[in-house]
Amino acid sequence: EIVLTQSPDFQSVTPKEKVTITCRASQSIGSGLHWYQQKADQSPKLLIKYASKSISGVPSRFSGSGSGTDFTLTINSLEAEDGATYYCHQSSSLPQTFGQGTKVEIK
Amino acid sequence: QVQLQESGPGLVKPSQTLSLTCTVSGGSIGSGSYYWSWIRQPAGKGLEWIGRIYTSGSTNYNPSLKSRVTISVDTSKNQFSLNLSSVTAADTAVYYCARDSGEGPYWYFDLWGRGTLVTVSS
Repeated sequence: EIVLTQSPDFQSVTPKEKVTITCRASQSIGSGLHWYQQKADQSPKLLIKYASKSISGVPSRFSGSGSGTDFTLTINSLEAEDGATYYCHQSSSLPQTFGQGTKVEIK
Repeated sequence: QVQLQESGPGLVKPSQTLSLTCTVSGGSIGSGSYYWSWIRQPAGKGLEWIGRIYTSGSTNYNPSLKSRVTISVDTSKNQFSLNLSSVTAADTAVYYCARDSGEGPYWYFDLWGRGTLVTVSS
C-alpha cells in the first residue's frame, strides 16, 4: 500500500497569504496524484487532477505541481472561503489511498 | 447533471451487515467509462477507500476490508450497493459513494454523494 504523508497537518493563515501544502508518497506514483477540498460537514470536492491539471469551475488560485514522490498544492492569495481540510489522493496503484489531511484555518 | 445519493440504515448492530445503496441520477450508470466507489470517513478522521465496481461488474476492494466487503451494481435501477459484514464500532463512519473518472491510467473522484452517517451500536 502506498502511504501519502501531508505536511503540515494544520496551518493558520490570514487572507491574501499564499498557502503551500506538500504530499509525499512512499514510492513513485508518476502523476497519479489528485487534490480535494473538504469543508466542514460537506463531501470532498476535486480541486486538481493528475498532480497539476486544473478542474473546470475551480478558482485559478488553486494550482498543483510535482511528480514521482513529491507533490505540492498551492493556494495563491487565500480567501476566507478557502478554510477547509485538504487531502491528496493517489490512484497509481490499488488500494487507492489518501493523505491524512491538512486543515487550513483562516485567521 | 449527474448526482449521487447514498441511502440506508443509519444504525447497525455489532456483528450485523451494513448495507448502503448509491443512486445515480441525471445520467446512466452504464454510460461512459467509469468506476463507482465507496469511501468512508470516521468522525474527525481521514478518508478510506473501501472499493469500487465497474459497470461490467468487475470489482476491486481494499485488502484491509476485502474479507467483509461486497460491492454490486444494478444498472436497471441505476444504483450500486455496499455490503459490509460483521461490523464493529470501528466501522462507524460517514460513508460516501463517488464516481471514478479518468482519461488515462489514473482515476480520480470527480463526483461525490453527500455522505450518510452509519453508527454501529447495540
